[in-house]
Amino acid sequence: DGGITQSPKYLFRKEGQNVTLSCEQNLNHDAMYWYRQDPGQGLRLIYYSQIVNDFQKGDIAEGYSVSREKKESFPLTVTSAQKNPTAFYLCASSKRTPIGELFFGEGSRLTVL
Amino acid sequence: DQQVKQNSPSLSVQEGRISILNCDYTNSMFDYFLWYKKYPAEGPTFLISISSIKDKNEDGRFTVFLNKSAKHLSLHIVPSQPGDSAVYFCAVWSYNFNKFYFGSGTKLNVKP
Repeated sequence: DGGITQSPKYLFRKEGQNVTLSCEQNLNHDAMYWYRQDPGQGLRLIYYSQIVNDFQKGDIAEGYSVSREKKESFPLTVTSAQKNPTAFYLCASSKRTPIGELFFGEGSRLTVL
Repeated sequence: DQQVKQNSPSLSVQEGRISILNCDYTNSMFDYFLWYKKYPAEGPTFLISISSIKDKNEDGRFTVFLNKSAKHLSLHIVPSQPGDSAVYFCAVWSYNFNKFYFGSGTKLNVKP
């Protein structure tokens, strides 16, 4: 079955540690996205990538980094510079053109202790 | 600045009645409008969409209406079912900005 796989589903981190969230898709989609969801807020875009080896900052990129070395993979690193990293993180993908809906993974909940 | 606003954080409806979820947006240049449904601890799933050249799109119990002059989008669910209880996000896409913008979500509770 085609889809998006995020791992881990739950992650605990000590302050000052970097952590990497995995996102893999087998939908052959060109575009991939990382969103963050906080209680009472919409999904906010962290980074996105339209093609391999290229990515752009979203609205809240500070304290995060990404890479897009393969079409299928778009890992997100939450660095120690991110001041409020505790959140629910969602990875998504879509066809680049024509625009279609986003397909989301199940999410990763990161808690900083 | 919020490009997309869902002003009602929650909505409660009796089973069998109509649910109406609303969304307002700021930019008349948005091209594509979508609704997503989200259960707790899961990723959102696509529900229904409409392009800017249309004013209505229907899919079974779900109908999306677009009022471009008012910059307003709504989702009608009729009849509502308890399984529809979830958080609903509206989203917009702009070819100019090349990205999606999401509202803050409305939590729908359909009471049996």
